[in-house]
Amino acid sequence: GAVVSQHPSRVICKSGTSVKIECRSLDFQATTMFWYRQFPKKSLMLMATSNEGSKATYEQGVEKDKFLINHASLTLSTLTVTSAHPEDSSFYICSASRVRLNQPQHFGDGTRLSIL
Amino acid sequence: DAKTTQPNSMESNEEEPVHLPCNHSTISGTDYIHWYRQLPSQGPEYVIHGLTSNVNNRMASLAIAEDRKSSTLILHRATLRDAAVYYCILSQGAQKLVFGQGTRLTINP
Repeated sequence: GAVVSQHPSRVICKSGTSVKIECRSLDFQATTMFWYRQFPKKSLMLMATSNEGSKATYEQGVEKDKFLINHASLTLSTLTVTSAHPEDSSFYICSASRVRLNQPQHFGDGTRLSIL
Repeated sequence: DAKTTQPNSMESNEEEPVHLPCNHSTISGTDYIHWYRQLPSQGPEYVIHGLTSNVNNRMASLAIAEDRKSSTLILHRATLRDAAVYYCILSQGAQKLVFGQGTRLTINP
């Protein structure tokens, strides 16, 4: 069964709305989680590394004030897309892994975000 | 991040073996070779990973060249549900994964 749960699976909202996406590790603690974005026909692009109890680390070109990440517990990270616009429409995916060395990443099922 | 090179697409027939190649000539001694696959409209799914020795699990086998500069993911008997984009990624520990374009595998019935 799934070890990483992502919610919601699909969001359709108006331009200017803020949208929160949750990522939960179900049966393990994750001090680090990752957020990716994927446009149609493209590969996954890492947006940021979510660190439990500290600030997220953003990849170059990703606006930290636009994509707010909170990792308040060892099993939950949230990504908030603030004041979303149509160009933010994409497939957002999170991942997490067990702490032991070289454990694989487990991915959520993704959130399809559509901004009208 | 060390890069990998994969063919853009491959095609095979149902119930036949599939060999998906990956080149990683700049691999470092501590890089593990990971394979993930992504079905349409889903998050990626872990397939297999290894360091130096060949690896087998219920999904696939991973054959790693002796010099570690290339590897091959082997699906022993492809089914229609194996149609996906397969990503070969080098990773050290529980670190971020850098995805390339992957190989889009088509399985013909």
